[in-house]
Amino acid sequence: GQNIDQPTEMTATEGAIVQINCTYQTSGFNGLFWYQQHAGEAPTFLSYNVLDGLEEKGRFSSFLSRSKGYSYLLLKELQMKDSASYLCAVPVTGGGNKLTFGTGTQLKVEL
Amino acid sequence: IAGITQAPTSQILAAGRRMTLRCTQDMRHNAMYWYRQDLGLGLRLIHYSNTAGTTGKGEVPDGYSVSRANTDDFPLTLASAVPSQTSVYFCASKPDTSTDTQYFGPGTRLTVL
Repeated sequence: GQNIDQPTEMTATEGAIVQINCTYQTSGFNGLFWYQQHAGEAPTFLSYNVLDGLEEKGRFSSFLSRSKGYSYLLLKELQMKDSASYLCAVPVTGGGNKLTFGTGTQLKVEL
Repeated sequence: IAGITQAPTSQILAAGRRMTLRCTQDMRHNAMYWYRQDLGLGLRLIHYSNTAGTTGKGEVPDGYSVSRANTDDFPLTLASAVPSQTSVYFCASKPDTSTDTQYFGPGTRLTVL
């Protein structure tokens, strides 16, 4: 089966950089997703990594190391609107189109 | 373009009552999903459907049923609601392949008293 671990909460300062980590255990690997979820809203897609390395999308970057079962989401130039929960998810091994989600990291951006 | 919609937005329900949560998408996605989200537990899959006419059980299917009569609609039914089913329910859809992202509806907040 799958197991995903993320820190529960993080706090960072506006304008700073924050790294949100995700470790996973899966018998087969078929990529890793990051989603952002603001309070009271639906999750929205941020990134998908299937190969090792860093992928950059504006202020957000996502890194993957398949050998270490590890990913991180890097948020630069933090803004107050980045306060949200960040969810890490991996496809279920042999499970068709299903995803297993981590419990999410609640990021609070302060002045 | 509506994307994926859910109804109702919120509902308060007496225990023992039957309730159907509606989900409709206009993106012609084959796969659809129902999740519940509870504090500290994250998103958990209730049921899913890879294509019209087929359904499957997720991680927490007990007390819930689904149907997929066509591509667009994927209703979730609670036959006899219990307080432990108080949660926020999200419907999601995606195209066929496992590497595609899921698109989420706005959610239904359900309270069972």
